[in-house]
Amino acid sequence: RKEVEQDPGPFNVPEGATVAFNCTYSNSASQSFFWYRQDCRKEPKLLMSVYSSGNEDGRFTAQLNRASQYISLLIRDSKLSDSATYLCAVSPGGGADGLTFGKGTHLIIQP
Amino acid sequence: GAVVSQHPSWVICKSGTSVKIECRSLDFQATTMFWYRQFPKQSLMLMATSNEGSKATYEQGVEKDKFLINHASLTLSTLTVTSAHPEDSSFYICSATRGALAGGYTFGSGTRLTVV
Repeated sequence: RKEVEQDPGPFNVPEGATVAFNCTYSNSASQSFFWYRQDCRKEPKLLMSVYSSGNEDGRFTAQLNRASQYISLLIRDSKLSDSATYLCAVSPGGGADGLTFGKGTHLIIQP
Repeated sequence: GAVVSQHPSWVICKSGTSVKIECRSLDFQATTMFWYRQFPKQSLMLMATSNEGSKATYEQGVEKDKFLINHASLTLSTLTVTSAHPEDSSFYICSATRGALAGGYTFGSGTRLTVV
């Protein structure tokens, strides 16, 4: 079983729609969780950290379910500029350990 | 904010030669730096973790003699791909952190290596 799994997509979504994707992780000792955005041939950029209580940043909402070992990302009122690959990343620690990434979910927002 | 500079952005080299990639934290001291590799349509895979002044810790399956990592100062880590071969062609990305308490990972802009 892969450590971090994501549906690769692509998800084709009309502009303005709401889209959500999940990511499952196998290491129950994982302590830190993140969503990154990666544009083609670029480095990943942090979208948001994911906290146990869930957190929201503008149109983006992230949730963590420790019992089921998954995290989710919800994007509301999607924009064309949201088209990218969204990477889920987990770490056993808070900064001293490297990240384990999923393969990413490819999102295409259509006009 | 924290900035990590990585260069070169891209490099093309001949098979059998060595290539050095630099990763610098510009405005903070990076206790730990990480090196990742990403093949097309694959996830970023952690290659190694380096702490300033000590030997790097390599992930399983990564040859330490082929991928030499030096972290001589709190602001600079280098990855040298020795005797590069076409199968080493990939996107190499570094990441730096200020440590477990500070949390957060800052990524360099990546180096696209093509070995011909």
